[in-house]
Amino acid sequence: QSVLTQPPSASGTPGQRVTISCSGSSSNIGSHTVNWYQQLPGTAPKLLIYSDNQRPSGVPDRFSGSKSGTSASLAISGLQSEDEADYYCAAWDDSLNGPVFGGGTKLTVL
Amino acid sequence: QLQLQESGPGLVKPSETLSLTCTVSGGSISSSTYYWGWIRQPPGKGLEWIGSIDYSGSTYYNPSLRSRVTISVDTSKKQFSLKLSSVTAADTAVYFCARSDTYYDILTGYRPNAFDIWGQGTMVTVSS
Repeated sequence: QSVLTQPPSASGTPGQRVTISCSGSSSNIGSHTVNWYQQLPGTAPKLLIYSDNQRPSGVPDRFSGSKSGTSASLAISGLQSEDEADYYCAAWDDSLNGPVFGGGTKLTVL
Repeated sequence: QLQLQESGPGLVKPSETLSLTCTVSGGSISSSTYYWGWIRQPPGKGLEWIGSIDYSGSTYYNPSLRSRVTISVDTSKKQFSLKLSSVTAADTAVYFCARSDTYYDILTGYRPNAFDIWGQGTMVTVSS
């Protein structure tokens, strides 16, 4: 059972906009920034969004992050087949005194 | 650009100690701006943070693994290492090393933040 809760799966068709939610508590998302990672099949995770809504260099602006209270969301617009991957949210947790990850959401592009 | 590479045995016997090393190339390990961490992923499951260390040896450990984990750094070799003792089948996973930037917390000082560069990962199986 992950400290951060994500839906196990999400799907969309090419060109659509999809969102992935991440629910936490006051000891993590409610107090600290959220990071999002993309893990393509058989590869290492890649930082997609940091500090709630910032994109590292090279990440397309189709990817965006937001946060409200103890929940965060990742939005992907103009969905492409290469976006099919697992997505993980993460945040520092005061109880753990370390970063915690969500359980991951498998995104399928139909 | 900075790259990380994990190395170590792919098979460890139950009750023994898992030892992995991460070698940093294309950049410095001795910057106060970063922490160096270990994250693992059991087959078909999600990510679990194990622990992080900075160049001076300051560490953060996952409380659920703290009693079995030691992370160390050797700046002269540009390496940091993971030791996980008394392993069981539940420790079978892909182990990733990663760099994280730091965040200044007014109460606790500098701590790890986002993992921005990852190694490719190495599969470790615990089996007799």
